[in-house]
Amino acid sequence: GAVVSQHPSWVICKSGTSVKIECRSLDFQATTMFWYRQFPKQSLMLMATSNEGSKATYEQGVEKDKFLINHASLTLSTLTVTSAHPEDSSFYICSARTGQGGRETQYFGPGTRLLVL
Amino acid sequence: DAKTTQPTSMDCAEGRAANLPCNHSTISGNEYVYWYRQIHSQGPQYIIHGLKNNETNEMASLIITEDRKSSTLILPHATLRDTAVYYCIAQNTGGFKTIFGAGTRLFVKA
Repeated sequence: GAVVSQHPSWVICKSGTSVKIECRSLDFQATTMFWYRQFPKQSLMLMATSNEGSKATYEQGVEKDKFLINHASLTLSTLTVTSAHPEDSSFYICSARTGQGGRETQYFGPGTRLLVL
Repeated sequence: DAKTTQPTSMDCAEGRAANLPCNHSTISGNEYVYWYRQIHSQGPQYIIHGLKNNETNEMASLIITEDRKSSTLILPHATLRDTAVYYCIAQNTGGFKTIFGAGTRLFVKA
């Protein structure tokens, strides 16, 4: 199956700093990528849809100025958590969509665990 | 996208078939049934999807009822590594975004 990577796999930072997470589709091109956040013992929550060459679409309640998304190429999307605070500590997961029509599906990255001190 | 209902948790003996049910009684004609799973501390993994015909791949089989109001994911010979949360999602193709519910927590026991 298709492979999606994320970097870094985990990061610890001080409160007030910014953290960038990269999401790459390794063996396919993805015009659309998605960013999710998951808190302990909860399901995944969709944060935003990232389209190559255009602005991301954010879900209700997600601050676009805090979670900056850039989808500069067909294989790379980045999420920057700006001025991170302890409540931003979470498991961040990206996914990339591939295929057309009935063959469409999403492949997910391994996730990035963020801890803000 | 249609709402899906899954049991909160299930147990299965190692080596036996795991049958995970999903209800999607409001599914529309152009919505597919997708299954993903998430093993602890990992990103979700695509398993299988289908529209109305039964589907099989190297991981699992998907059985969709004739009225499409429910489906069953079958792991034919469950192993301990199949312990995970399994998500059933009904959604359109072409511009869909995947919204996750609570899923079913499957415990495979030795």
